[in-house]
Amino acid sequence: DIQMTQSPSSLSASVGDKVTITCQASQDINNYLNWYQHKVGKAPKLLIYDAFKLETGVPSRFSGSGSGTDFTLIISSLQPEDIATYYCQHNEYQWGLTFGGGTKVEIK
Amino acid sequence: QLQLQESGSGLVRPSQTLSLSCDVSGGSINTRDYSWGWIRQPPGKGLEWIGTIFQSGTTYSKSSLSSRVSISVDKLSLRVASVTAADTALYYCARFRAYSRGRGGFDVWGQGKMVTVSS
Repeated sequence: DIQMTQSPSSLSASVGDKVTITCQASQDINNYLNWYQHKVGKAPKLLIYDAFKLETGVPSRFSGSGSGTDFTLIISSLQPEDIATYYCQHNEYQWGLTFGGGTKVEIK
Repeated sequence: QLQLQESGSGLVRPSQTLSLSCDVSGGSINTRDYSWGWIRQPPGKGLEWIGTIFQSGTTYSKSSLSSRVSISVDKLSLRVASVTAADTALYYCARFRAYSRGRGGFDVWGQGKMVTVSS
């Protein structure tokens, strides 16, 4: 299975701040990457697929970029409802749908 | 609106087999457009993909778990054999939507079922 490494593991930011989360694959995965949002006590939610494509209904303040081994999730203006843990995931099932370790986002 | 609900025993003894089912409402399991998967989250840790099963019955699972994991598509069931305390986790079933050949994501999730492995 391809390994996915996220950083940071946690961050604290103020409402309105730009938040950046990175995800690195252990080998080239093209743009085959998903991002999920997981709020406490809720089911995870698919935000972005194929590195930059927003799921229907996801606010435009979320964006994704990257290809190869390095990927980024950006929240352009952090809102209180964005408090959650964010996970990247390699989305090719034949290679294993491995999740990154997660990034916990908190409000400062 | 499709809803998923995990069910099964919440307490399993070490070395026994964990068995869970995923009840689907508001939609059908038997659709070519979607497949199904299981994911778990140990207490205080991140998400871990367990496996994905397609309508054909073909299954892909995490390599480190594959020898102990069995997924059935007819009842969306998960079985994990020879469990240890490390298998204690919140277990989710989820719908897998294929974007294109070979790729996809989990777009609908259940609320999860906590399973504890303890004697």
